Amino acid sequence: KAGVTQTPRYLIKTRGQQVTLSCSPISGHRSVSWYQQTPGQGLQFLFEYFSETQRNKGNFPGRFSGRQFSNSRSEMNVSTLELGDSALYLCASSRVDSYEQYFGPGTRLTVT
Amino acid sequence: AQSVTQLGSHVSVSEGALVLLRCNYSSSVPPYLFWYVQYPNQGLQLLLKYTTGATLVKGINGFEAEFKKSETSFHLTKPSAHMSDAAEYFCAVSLTSSGYSTLTFGKGTMLLVSP
Repeated sequence: KAGVTQTPRYLIKTRGQQVTLSCSPISGHRSVSWYQQTPGQGLQFLFEYFSETQRNKGNFPGRFSGRQFSNSRSEMNVSTLELGDSALYLCASSRVDSYEQYFGPGTRLTVT
Repeated sequence: AQSVTQLGSHVSVSEGALVLLRCNYSSSVPPYLFWYVQYPNQGLQLLLKYTTGATLVKGINGFEAEFKKSETSFHLTKPSAHMSDAAEYFCAVSLTSSGYSTLTFGKGTMLLVSP
């Protein structure tokens, strides 16, 4: 079974721009979560989607948003990029009846 | 709210030595506990998990962890370190009452293995 895939793997953007990251979960997994990883703050929860609905949201500004499609694929969007948004963005998927999350390789975003 | 504390941002061991990575959690309800490993430029890989039942859980690559409720701990051990174990390790907790999969991570411990 294929793992969680994330595209693109690397991205360089300029301050003020916006960016969209994509995540395809493991087949059959309907829950998708997003995390931001930085050296200073570590791993922080962004949001979680299930059946196209955001069920939970972390403590991030409204510039961070996401959505989930009917095939469980998910995207996250960051508008008006700031230098501090440079991070590794990780997507994880899980089955409906499990707390076990499987992570993708991440998207490395660099904001200049 | 739950939280996770990993003691030691870096742990150094010699190849063949015991590996002990410490994790303490704070939770008002019975938690689900996880250890993940991250190799450079990669995502997180699940090593092992505790949900219910046996408090000593075995994972991949020879790692195991013991859930001790009285000490609110979930320390990760491996009897004999290999060079390939060098990576960053994260302890995480998920609240059982939340109904969904939201993980709270510790700050991580970098394991360094010397020959």
